[in-house]
Amino acid sequence: DAKTTQPPSMDCAEGRAANLPCNHSTISGNEYVYWYRQIHSQGPQYIIHGLKNNETNEMASLIITEDRKSSTLILPHATLRDTAVYYCIVRVHRAGEGKSTFGDGTTLTVKP
Amino acid sequence: DAGVIQSPRHEVTEMGQEVTLRCKPISGHNSLFWYRQTMMRGLELLIYFNNNVPIDDSGMPEDRFSAKMPNASFSTLKIQPSEPRDSAVYFCASSLFTYNEQFFGPGTRLTVL
Repeated sequence: DAKTTQPPSMDCAEGRAANLPCNHSTISGNEYVYWYRQIHSQGPQYIIHGLKNNETNEMASLIITEDRKSSTLILPHATLRDTAVYYCIVRVHRAGEGKSTFGDGTTLTVKP
Repeated sequence: DAGVIQSPRHEVTEMGQEVTLRCKPISGHNSLFWYRQTMMRGLELLIYFNNNVPIDDSGMPEDRFSAKMPNASFSTLKIQPSEPRDSAVYFCASSLFTYNEQFFGPGTRLTVL
C-alpha cells in the first residue's frame, strides 16, 4: 500500500470547518483513500473513503485532487467531540487483501 | 447492532502467565482483524481472517502469540507466556469483506507485570 503523510497536529475553533490534509503521492490507480479517527481510549472509527470522486456523508466530506496525490478531509462544523487523532490510509479493494497501515495520523484539537 | 464486542476490557497479569483475549465480530461480517496499539509502535495489524480462515499472520510478533477463529462469531488471541513488553491495547475489528471499512471494538488494555 502507498505511504501517506499527514501533519502531526492541527487546531480548529469550535463551529468552524476543520480541513485535514493528506499526501499520498505514490498512490496507485486501484488504491482507495480511507479516513478513520480515534478518540482518546476508544477504538478507531471509520469516517469515509473514496477513489477519485469527492465524497460526502453525514460525518464529513472527502476531497481528492484530480491527480489523486493528495486529499483533504473536511469536518464542516467542528465540535469539541471531534477532538481526536485522524488517520489517512490508502489501500486496494481486492478480495483477500485486508492490510491497512495506520501511520501516526493528525491530532486535531477543537478549541472553544 | 451491538458492534464488535471484546472481553475482557482490562487485564492485568504477571509475566509468564497465559492471556486470552476474546472478540465477537459484527454479525454478517466475513473478515476479522486483530491489532495492537502502543505509544512506541502505534497501531499494528497482527493477523486477519476471512471466512474464519487466517489470511495473513505476518504481523504476529512471535510464536508466543496465536489466534484462532473457530466460527464466524468468535475469535481469540492468546499470548503464552506473556511478557511485560506485550503490554498494550489490543483491538479487534470486523468488516463485511477484507477490503471494506473496518469496525473496531473498544479494545482490551493488557498490562503484564
